[in-house]
Amino acid sequence: ETGVTQTPRHLVMGMTNKKSLKCEQHLGHNAMYWYKQSAKKPLELMFVYSLEERVENNSVPSRFSPECPNSSHLFLHLHTLQPEDSALYLCASSQDSSGRNIQYFGAGTRLSVL
Amino acid sequence: GQQVMQIPQYQHVQEGEDFTTYCNSSTTLSNIQWYKQRPGGHPVFLIQLVKSGEVKKQKRLTFQFGEAKKNSSLHITATQTTDVGTYFCAGPNTGNQFYFGTGTSLTVIP
Repeated sequence: ETGVTQTPRHLVMGMTNKKSLKCEQHLGHNAMYWYKQSAKKPLELMFVYSLEERVENNSVPSRFSPECPNSSHLFLHLHTLQPEDSALYLCASSQDSSGRNIQYFGAGTRLSVL
Repeated sequence: GQQVMQIPQYQHVQEGEDFTTYCNSSTTLSNIQWYKQRPGGHPVFLIQLVKSGEVKKQKRLTFQFGEAKKNSSLHITATQTTDVGTYFCAGPNTGNQFYFGTGTSLTVIP
């Protein structure tokens, strides 16, 4: 148990569906991250939030929409996804977003887009 | 753009053999972190190195940060089946942009 909880663990959705991924951290951290991990590809940083403000957005398609209502919760809203968006989506948190602190990862959401 | 490459991409070793993965960044990193991801799991932090030329050991694992702070290595002595997984290096550049390496997947054959 890393202190970072992601739900759901598995998600299957059609291309016209709208769904949301949830991440909650119980570590008192100020920064939260969304990563995408596809087969045979490195971890791709999607979004970074620091104190509920988005500080980095790495050219992610608009069909992915993050939301950070407070420093403990992070959502990733999904709509009109494509099959190539099927991947493991990992949430992480750290003390701050400087890159000098350990990142603690959740178990991930395995997403399949049909 | 910045790249953090790791070699090899895959490594199969007999149990008891040594293993090394190399991490190379196209730009200077403020620090280097190493993570391990077991099959079906999520990345778990192993260690962080900050100083140029720094070497740290954790039991059978030896981590090194290059003098120019652009490369790093992880060496495992006498691998065990519990070492199976993908090893990632990661770190921020001087602009605090954080990058993960491409990873090295280690298979240990009993």
